[in-house]
Amino acid sequence: AQKITQTQPGMFVQEKEAVTLDCTYDTSDPSYGLFWYKQPSSGEMIFLIYQGSYDQQNATEGRYSLNFQKARKSANLVISASQLGDSAMYFCAMREGGDSSYKLIFGSGTRLLVRP
Amino acid sequence: NAGVTQTPKFRVLKTGQSMTLLCAQDMNHEYMYWYRQDPGMGLRLIHYSVGEGTTAKGEVPDGYNVSRLKKQNFLLGLESAAPSQTSVYFCASSYPGLSSGNTIYFGEGSWLTVV
Repeated sequence: AQKITQTQPGMFVQEKEAVTLDCTYDTSDPSYGLFWYKQPSSGEMIFLIYQGSYDQQNATEGRYSLNFQKARKSANLVISASQLGDSAMYFCAMREGGDSSYKLIFGSGTRLLVRP
Repeated sequence: NAGVTQTPKFRVLKTGQSMTLLCAQDMNHEYMYWYRQDPGMGLRLIHYSVGEGTTAKGEVPDGYNVSRLKKQNFLLGLESAAPSQTSVYFCASSYPGLSSGNTIYFGEGSWLTVV
C-alpha cells in the first residue's frame, strides 16, 4: 500500500543555514511522482518541487533541492540558506502512475521554524 | 489568475445542519479533489472526480457527498454536519499523469467548525 512517512514533527534551523526535511515512501508502482508542498500559517498549499521516479537527476528549484535516493525510498527536501519566511509546515506527497485517480497521498508534515 | 477558488472561506455550523462547499477552477483541469486536513494527520482524500459527471470515493468519504455537473466546478456537501467534520477543507485540481507540469493545485482552504 502506498504510504508517506515524515518522522520529524518539528524542526528548528538558524537563519542562513541549510536544513533537510526527511521523507520516506512506500509503493509497489515503478512509476510515481514525489512532491513537496509548503503550508504557511495563512493556510494555503504552495507547490515547491517535483521528482519523478524515472528522473535521472535530483530536482532543484532555487533554494530547494530534493535528495532522491530511490533504493532507500527516500525523498528528502533540502532548503539552503534558510530565511525567516521559510517558517511553515512542509508536506511530502506521492502520486502513482498506476492509480487512475492520480490522487496525492500526503505525509503528516514537518513544522519548520527558522530562528533569527 | 484565479486558479482554484473555494467558497465559503469560513463557516460555523450547528450539528445536524447541512451546507455545500463550492470549488471552481479556471485551468480546464479534468481531475478535481476534495481533501480534509486535521491536526497532525496531513491531508486525506474525501472524494474525487476524473471528469464532468463522474465522482468517486476517497479515503474518508463517509458523511459527504459530491457533484460535478460542470467541468470547472466540484461541490462538496455535508447533509447532516457532525462535530467530527470540524476541519479545514481543501479543493484541488490537475491534469492526469506524472510530470511537474501535472502538479496538483490547491485552493486556499475552507475552515469549517461544527458546534
